[in-house]
Parts: sequence; structure tokens; C-alpha cells
Amino acid sequence: LAKTTQPISMDSYEGQEVNITCSHNNIATNDYITWYQQFPSQGPRFIIQGYKTKVTNEVASLFIPADRKSSTLSLPRVSLSDTAVYYCLVVPDGGSTLGRLYFGRGTQLTVWP
Amino acid sequence: EAGVTQFPSHSVIEKGQTVTLRCDPISGHDNLYWYRRVMGKEIKFLLHFVKESKQDESGMPNNRFLAERTGGTYSTLKVQPAELEDSGVYFCASSHRPGTDNYGYTFGSGTRLTVV
Repeated sequence: LAKTTQPISMDSYEGQEVNITCSHNNIATNDYITWYQQFPSQGPRFIIQGYKTKVTNEVASLFIPADRKSSTLSLPRVSLSDTAVYYCLVVPDGGSTLGRLYFGRGTQLTVWP
Repeated sequence: EAGVTQFPSHSVIEKGQTVTLRCDPISGHDNLYWYRRVMGKEIKFLLHFVKESKQDESGMPNNRFLAERTGGTYSTLKVQPAELEDSGVYFCASSHRPGTDNYGYTFGSGTRLTVV
């Protein structure tokens, strides 16, 4: 399974846009890129998923270049409540019966007032 | 819609004792997963149920861990006998289908297990 690399930590101020980039050089053709968010004392929470180009939902945007070897999670106008660990995962297409997710260390985002 | 529920939220037991963790997935989710994070480490996969069958249990650390999902509804994870290195947070997740479910996997808040 493709290994992912992302920054260990990032800091931002309230109201700013935050971009977290993840590298996945060995991504396979049938892999999707998925991001999870985790607050202290909670389980990871699904944020967004994409295969290529751009995906946007009410929480974030995900930018994936044509070669798919990296992806960028964009959080618009962050608030203090966005302080969390963000995980980038590469997940095989749903046609696979293999359901395991591989979590790395994630990126600790801290938002300051 | 109720989320994934785990019980207990915390458990402190002595080495050698037995502990049973419970997970109630989202109703209708055939896929149920157990994960674990030990102190300072990454979240690691333990096993995957499809309904009542074990689809993948390759992440189970040893035979002191026994997971069941009788009837394909809730699941239990028993640790017997518990060792110090079993301490950590145990997460349960469920999904409509494995892999790239459009809504991702829904995780519970976890059970923090401390073995002393």
C-alpha cells in the first residue's frame, strides 16, 4: 500500500486558509486519497476523499495534481475548533474487500487566536 | 442516525485480568473494524468483520485477543490475560462498504485501556 508523508505539525491563526500537503509517490491506479480529522479523546472523522483534480465539500477542499503523487487538503478560514490531527490516507477502490486503513503520524494543526 | 458507540470509555485493569470491549456499529453497516493506538504510536488495524465473518484478522497482535461479532450486529474484543503492553486506545469503526465508501468510515470515540 502507498506510504504517505505529511508535515508533523503546522500552526495558523484564526481566519487564515490552511493547506496541508501529503506525498504519496507510490499511489496505485485504483487508490483514492482520503483525509481524516481527529480531536483529542475522539476517533478519527472522515473529512474528504478524492481521486483526481479537485473535490470540495462543506468542510474542506482537496486538490490532486494530474500525477496524483501528492495531494493538498485546504481548510478555508480556520477557527480554534479546527485544531486537530489531520491524517492523509491512500485507500484502495471500494471494489476491494480489504478494508484496513493505514494511518501515519498525521499533521498536528494548531490554530491560534 | 446514531454513530458508532463503544463501551466502556475507560477501563483500568490489573495485569493478568480479562477485559471485554464492546462496539455497536451504525445500524446497517456490514463492515466493522477494530483499531488500536498504543502510546506514542500510530493507529494500527486489528481486524475487519463483514457481518459476522472475519474478513481480515491479520492485525491481531496475538492469541490473547479474541474478537467476535455474533449475529453480525455488535462486536466484542476480549483481551485475556491482559499485559502491560496492551494499554492504549481501542477504536471501532464501521462502514457501508470497505475501501472507498463515499462517507468514509465512522469511528467511535474509543476505549482507553490501561493495564497496571
